Amino acid sequence: QKEVEQDPGPLSVPEGAIVSLNCTYSNSAFQYFMWYRQYSRKGPELLMYTYSSGNKEDGRFTAQVDKSSKYISLFIRDSQPSDSATYLCAMLNQAGTALIFGKGTTLSVSS
Amino acid sequence: DAGITQSPRYKITETGRQVTLMCHQTWSHSYMFWYRQDLGHGLRLIYYSAAADITDKGEVPDGYVVSRSKTENFPLTLESATRSQTSVYFCASQRDSYNEQFFGPGTRLTVL
Repeated sequence: QKEVEQDPGPLSVPEGAIVSLNCTYSNSAFQYFMWYRQYSRKGPELLMYTYSSGNKEDGRFTAQVDKSSKYISLFIRDSQPSDSATYLCAMLNQAGTALIFGKGTTLSVSS
Repeated sequence: DAGITQSPRYKITETGRQVTLMCHQTWSHSYMFWYRQDLGHGLRLIYYSAAADITDKGEVPDGYVVSRSKTENFPLTLESATRSQTSVYFCASQRDSYNEQFFGPGTRLTVL
Protein backbone atom coordinates (compact mmCIF):
# COMPACT_ATOMS: atom_id res chain seq x y z
CA GLN A 1 0.00 0.00 0.00
CA LYS A 2 1.37 3.39 -0.98
CA GLU A 3 1.69 5.93 1.81
CA VAL A 4 -0.60 8.39 0.04
CA GLU A 5 -3.44 7.43 -2.30
CA GLN A 6 -5.18 9.91 -4.59
CA ASP A 7 -7.64 9.22 -7.39
CA PRO A 8 -6.06 10.64 -10.57
CA GLY A 9 -9.40 11.42 -12.21
CA PRO A 10 -9.79 13.17 -14.57
CA LEU A 11 -12.62 15.11 -13.01
CA SER A 12 -14.77 17.33 -15.23
CA VAL A 13 -17.31 19.78 -13.79
CA PRO A 14 -19.29 22.77 -15.07
CA GLU A 15 -18.44 26.28 -13.93
CA GLY A 16 -19.97 27.08 -10.56
CA ALA A 17 -19.93 23.49 -9.28
CA ILE A 18 -18.58 22.45 -5.90
CA VAL A 19 -15.54 20.23 -6.30
CA SER A 20 -14.34 17.67 -3.78
CA LEU A 21 -10.82 16.26 -4.03
CA ASN A 22 -9.62 13.59 -1.65
CA CYS A 23 -6.60 11.65 -0.43
CA THR A 24 -6.09 8.83 2.00
CA TYR A 25 -2.85 8.02 3.79
CA SER A 26 -1.49 5.16 5.82
CA ASN A 27 1.00 6.73 8.24
CA SER A 28 -0.80 7.94 11.36
CA ALA A 29 2.27 9.98 12.35
CA PHE A 30 1.64 12.56 9.60
CA GLN A 31 0.69 15.90 11.14
CA TYR A 32 1.15 18.46 8.35
CA PHE A 33 -0.96 18.31 5.23
CA MET A 34 -0.77 20.35 2.07
CA TRP A 35 -2.53 20.84 -1.21
CA TYR A 36 -0.56 21.98 -4.21
CA ARG A 37 -1.99 23.17 -7.52
CA GLN A 38 -0.09 22.54 -10.74
CA TYR A 39 -0.99 24.14 -14.04
CA SER A 40 0.07 22.44 -17.23
CA ARG A 41 3.84 22.67 -17.84
CA LYS A 42 4.39 24.60 -14.58
CA GLY A 43 5.79 23.77 -11.17
CA PRO A 44 3.45 22.99 -8.25
CA GLU A 45 2.42 25.90 -6.06
CA LEU A 46 1.12 25.69 -2.51
CA LEU A 47 -2.62 26.21 -2.15
CA MET A 48 -3.40 25.14 1.41
CA TYR A 49 -1.32 24.09 4.44
CA THR A 50 -3.00 22.57 7.50
CA TYR A 51 -1.83 21.09 10.76
CA SER A 52 -3.52 18.14 12.42
CA SER A 53 -7.29 17.63 12.20
CA GLY A 54 -9.88 20.24 11.36
CA ASN A 55 -10.85 22.68 8.63
CA LYS A 56 -9.08 25.62 7.07
CA GLU A 57 -10.74 28.05 4.72
CA ASP A 58 -9.18 30.46 2.23
CA GLY A 59 -11.61 32.17 -0.11
CA ARG A 60 -13.31 29.55 -2.26
CA PHE A 61 -11.04 26.79 -0.96
CA THR A 62 -11.51 24.67 2.17
CA ALA A 63 -9.08 22.03 3.35
CA GLN A 64 -10.32 19.36 5.72
CA VAL A 65 -8.29 16.81 7.67
CA ASP A 66 -9.75 13.79 9.46
CA LYS A 67 -6.85 12.09 11.18
CA SER A 68 -9.04 9.38 12.70
CA SER A 69 -9.93 8.20 9.20
CA LYS A 70 -6.56 9.18 7.66
CA TYR A 71 -8.46 11.18 5.07
CA ILE A 72 -7.96 14.68 3.74
CA SER A 73 -10.13 16.72 1.40
CA LEU A 74 -10.00 19.91 -0.60
CA PHE A 75 -13.29 21.60 -1.48
CA ILE A 76 -13.55 24.25 -4.17
CA ARG A 77 -16.73 26.34 -4.17
CA ASP A 78 -18.04 28.18 -7.21
CA SER A 79 -15.42 26.54 -9.41
CA GLN A 80 -14.00 28.60 -12.27
CA PRO A 81 -12.31 27.62 -15.55
CA SER A 82 -9.11 29.06 -14.05
CA ASP A 83 -9.27 26.27 -11.43
CA SER A 84 -8.53 23.73 -14.19
CA ALA A 85 -5.26 22.15 -13.06
CA THR A 86 -3.82 19.12 -11.34
CA TYR A 87 -4.25 19.10 -7.56
CA LEU A 88 -1.66 17.26 -5.51
CA CYS A 89 -2.07 16.33 -1.88
CA ALA A 90 1.11 16.07 0.16
CA MET A 91 2.15 15.21 3.66
CA LEU A 92 5.29 16.22 5.53
CA ASN A 93 7.38 13.46 7.00
CA GLN A 94 7.93 13.44 10.76
CA ALA A 95 11.16 15.43 10.48
CA GLY A 96 9.31 18.15 8.57
CA THR A 97 11.80 17.96 5.74
CA ALA A 98 10.35 15.82 2.96
CA LEU A 99 6.98 15.78 1.24
CA ILE A 100 5.19 12.60 0.26
CA PHE A 101 2.86 13.34 -2.64
CA GLY A 102 -0.26 11.74 -3.97
CA LYS A 103 -0.31 11.16 -7.72
CA GLY A 104 -2.53 14.18 -8.30
CA THR A 105 -6.10 14.66 -9.56
CA THR A 106 -6.64 16.45 -12.86
CA LEU A 107 -9.59 18.84 -12.74
CA SER A 108 -11.27 20.47 -15.73
CA VAL A 109 -13.87 23.20 -15.20
CA SER A 110 -15.89 24.06 -18.29
CA SER A 111 -17.56 27.41 -18.89
CA ASP B 1 15.62 37.11 -10.94
CA ALA B 2 14.43 36.33 -7.44
CA GLY B 3 13.07 32.90 -6.57
CA ILE B 4 14.02 29.47 -7.79
CA THR B 5 15.20 28.85 -11.33
CA GLN B 6 16.12 25.76 -13.30
CA SER B 7 18.19 25.33 -16.41
CA PRO B 8 17.92 24.16 -19.04
CA ARG B 9 14.13 24.13 -19.36
CA TYR B 10 14.28 21.50 -22.11
CA LYS B 11 16.99 18.97 -22.86
CA ILE B 12 17.30 16.13 -25.34
CA THR B 13 20.21 13.74 -24.92
CA GLU B 14 21.26 10.23 -25.85
CA THR B 15 21.64 7.13 -23.71
CA GLY B 16 24.99 6.92 -22.00
CA ARG B 17 25.67 10.66 -21.97
CA GLN B 18 26.23 12.65 -18.82
CA VAL B 19 23.69 15.39 -18.17
CA THR B 20 23.61 18.03 -15.46
CA LEU B 21 20.47 19.89 -14.49
CA MET B 22 20.95 23.14 -12.62
CA CYS B 23 18.91 24.63 -9.81
CA HIS B 24 19.43 28.04 -8.23
CA GLN B 25 17.52 29.77 -5.44
CA THR B 26 17.91 33.32 -4.19
CA TRP B 27 16.23 33.00 -0.78
CA SER B 28 19.12 31.29 1.08
CA HIS B 29 16.75 28.48 2.01
CA SER B 30 18.40 25.67 3.96
CA TYR B 31 16.69 22.78 2.22
CA MET B 32 16.72 21.93 -1.46
CA PHE B 33 15.12 18.99 -3.25
CA TRP B 34 15.04 17.22 -6.58
CA TYR B 35 11.89 15.45 -7.75
CA ARG B 36 10.93 13.68 -10.93
CA GLN B 37 7.37 13.65 -12.20
CA ASP B 38 6.07 10.84 -14.39
CA LEU B 39 2.59 9.87 -15.51
CA GLY B 40 1.20 7.28 -13.18
CA HIS B 41 3.79 7.96 -10.49
CA GLY B 42 3.32 11.55 -9.50
CA LEU B 43 6.19 13.44 -7.87
CA ARG B 44 8.95 11.29 -6.45
CA LEU B 45 11.87 12.53 -4.41
CA ILE B 46 15.31 11.81 -5.87
CA TYR B 47 17.68 13.58 -3.46
CA TYR B 48 17.52 16.36 -0.93
CA SER B 49 19.93 18.57 0.94
CA ALA B 50 19.56 20.09 4.40
CA ALA B 51 22.48 22.51 3.97
CA ALA B 52 25.65 23.01 1.98
CA ASP B 53 27.67 19.78 1.85
CA ILE B 54 24.81 17.73 3.35
CA THR B 55 22.82 15.54 0.97
CA ASP B 56 20.63 12.49 1.39
CA LYS B 57 18.83 9.99 -0.79
CA GLY B 58 15.13 10.09 -1.49
CA GLU B 59 12.82 7.47 -2.90
CA VAL B 60 14.45 7.04 -6.35
CA PRO B 61 18.18 7.97 -6.16
CA ASP B 62 19.70 5.31 -8.43
CA GLY B 63 21.49 6.73 -11.47
CA TYR B 64 21.67 10.27 -10.07
CA VAL B 65 24.36 12.25 -8.29
CA VAL B 66 23.99 15.56 -6.45
CA SER B 67 26.28 18.05 -4.83
CA ARG B 68 25.78 21.23 -2.85
CA SER B 69 28.91 23.28 -2.43
CA LYS B 70 26.95 26.54 -2.11
CA THR B 71 23.64 27.10 -0.35
CA GLU B 72 21.99 28.57 -3.43
CA ASN B 73 22.87 25.86 -5.96
CA PHE B 74 21.88 22.21 -6.12
CA PRO B 75 22.86 20.54 -9.41
CA LEU B 76 21.57 17.09 -10.37
CA THR B 77 23.77 14.90 -12.58
CA LEU B 78 22.76 11.86 -14.55
CA GLU B 79 26.12 10.16 -14.96
CA SER B 80 25.04 7.85 -17.80
CA ALA B 81 21.54 8.71 -18.95
CA THR B 82 19.03 5.94 -19.64
CA ARG B 83 15.67 6.09 -21.39
CA SER B 84 13.90 5.42 -18.09
CA GLN B 85 15.23 8.78 -16.91
CA THR B 86 13.09 10.60 -19.45
CA SER B 87 10.93 12.73 -17.19
CA VAL B 88 10.13 16.20 -15.93
CA TYR B 89 12.49 17.22 -13.14
CA PHE B 90 11.53 19.74 -10.48
CA CYS B 91 13.80 21.44 -8.03
CA ALA B 92 12.34 22.84 -4.79
CA SER B 93 13.57 24.78 -1.80
CA GLN B 94 12.32 25.13 1.76
CA ARG B 95 13.42 27.69 4.35
CA ASP B 96 13.64 25.18 7.20
CA SER B 97 11.66 22.30 8.72
CA TYR B 98 7.88 22.40 8.56
CA ASN B 99 7.82 25.22 6.04
CA GLU B 100 6.39 25.50 2.55
CA GLN B 101 8.34 24.05 -0.34
CA PHE B 102 8.69 26.31 -3.37
CA PHE B 103 9.08 24.67 -6.74
CA GLY B 104 10.99 25.72 -9.81
CA PRO B 105 9.48 25.68 -13.31
CA GLY B 106 10.86 22.24 -14.18
CA THR B 107 13.23 20.74 -16.74
CA ARG B 108 11.78 18.46 -19.38
CA LEU B 109 14.41 15.82 -20.17
CA THR B 110 14.19 13.37 -23.04
CA VAL B 111 16.71 10.55 -23.32
CA LEU B 112 16.79 8.95 -26.78
